[in-house]
Amino acid sequence: DGGITQSPKYLFRKEGQNVTLSCEQNLNHDAMYWYRQDPGQGLRLIYYSQIVNDFQKGDIAEGYSVSREKKESFPLTVTSAQKNPTAFYLCASTRRGSYNEQFFGPGTRLTVL
Amino acid sequence: AQKITQTQPGMFVQEKEAVTLDCTYDTSDPSYGLFWYKQPSSGEMIFLIYQGSYDQQNATEGRYSLNFQKARKSANLVISASQLGDSAMYFCAMREVSGGYQKVTFGTGTKLQVIP
Repeated sequence: DGGITQSPKYLFRKEGQNVTLSCEQNLNHDAMYWYRQDPGQGLRLIYYSQIVNDFQKGDIAEGYSVSREKKESFPLTVTSAQKNPTAFYLCASTRRGSYNEQFFGPGTRLTVL
Repeated sequence: AQKITQTQPGMFVQEKEAVTLDCTYDTSDPSYGLFWYKQPSSGEMIFLIYQGSYDQQNATEGRYSLNFQKARKSANLVISASQLGDSAMYFCAMREVSGGYQKVTFGTGTKLQVIP
């Protein structure tokens, strides 16, 4: 079955540590996105990528980094520079040039201890 | 200015009744897309319905319909015959092309609770 996988589902880290969230899709989609969601809030765009080896900052990119070395993979690193990293992180993908819906992964809940 | 505005933080509806969730948007791009997503307490995002800016007809998907009023820049979601399983957060979103890239912006959401 095609879809998006995110791992792990729950992640705990100590303050000051970098952590990488995984996002993999087998939908052959060109575009991939990372969102952050805080309790009771909407989704805010962190980074997005339309093609391999290219990505753009979203609205809240500070303290985050990404890479897009393969079409299927778009990992997000939460660095120690991110002041308030505890949140729910959602990865999504869509066909480039399409106005159809984004497909979302199940999300990763990151808690900083 | 907010790109997507959802003014109802929470809504209640009686089971089997219809409910309208409001969404207004702001864009100068003539070509855009509007979406509604449902997010149950599990956190997954479930796509409900899509409306293109050039679509003449309002989109419908089963019990969901999108009341698209382009001049007013509104894209309200109508859920008919509400069910207990409809209780969730609902997000309106808009896709635009910015600098050659497609970007999606979400509203802050409306929490819908269906009362038996």
